[in-house]
Amino acid sequence: GNSVTQMEGPVTLSEEAFLTINCTYTATGYPSLFWYVQYPGEGLQLLLKATKADDKGSNKGFEATYRKETTSFHLEKGSVQVSDSAVYFCALSLPASQAGNNRKLIWGLGTSLAVNP
Amino acid sequence: GAVVSQHPSWVICKSGTSVKIECRSLDFQATTMFWYRQFPKQSLMLMATSNEGSKATYEQGVEKDKFLINHASLTLSTLTVTSAHPEDSSFYICSAGGQGSSWEVGELFFGEGSRLTVL
Repeated sequence: GNSVTQMEGPVTLSEEAFLTINCTYTATGYPSLFWYVQYPGEGLQLLLKATKADDKGSNKGFEATYRKETTSFHLEKGSVQVSDSAVYFCALSLPASQAGNNRKLIWGLGTSLAVNP
Repeated sequence: GAVVSQHPSWVICKSGTSVKIECRSLDFQATTMFWYRQFPKQSLMLMATSNEGSKATYEQGVEKDKFLINHASLTLSTLTVTSAHPEDSSFYICSAGGQGSSWEVGELFFGEGSRLTVL
């Protein structure tokens, strides 16, 4: 079946450190891939996305590249800030042509990131 | 970007009472809405999917008579927790997919979440 696996947290970094949060997926067909972020006490918001192989999503200094050969979508940031402290979720969605009326996001378990000053 | 508003953001109720949470799409027509429950260790559990004008589709293990979902219009879905008990205390999050390119590629917009505490 379709699934998303992301590295377990919590991840604790010092400000300006390099961040990688690994995400791999299993899916039939050609899913879209997403990273969502949840800041403390808030709902989720889209951080970045990629809809086809080799696409790179980027936003707020974060990047992730859709690698079909390794079925991965790792999240990276070159220099994290205290304000990046949040929970990060990797997710996939199959296109409507595949999922039909059963379309939904398939979620990873989330990775908590704490950035210390 | 598209905005989804969820209300109330937090609610405290007595055991045995019912609580209604509203989810509104403010600037787009939400053909599909999803309700999630988030547990303390952050994992998201999909409770149900609702399409406008249709009965909600519940995930396995979610009691449809306890968690009533109504999606009567393209801008409003409600979740009612009936006869709430302390074990129903949780963070409930709605999300919406609308007409147009974003949902075609699977992007969802999320409400701010509602913290329910049942005493």
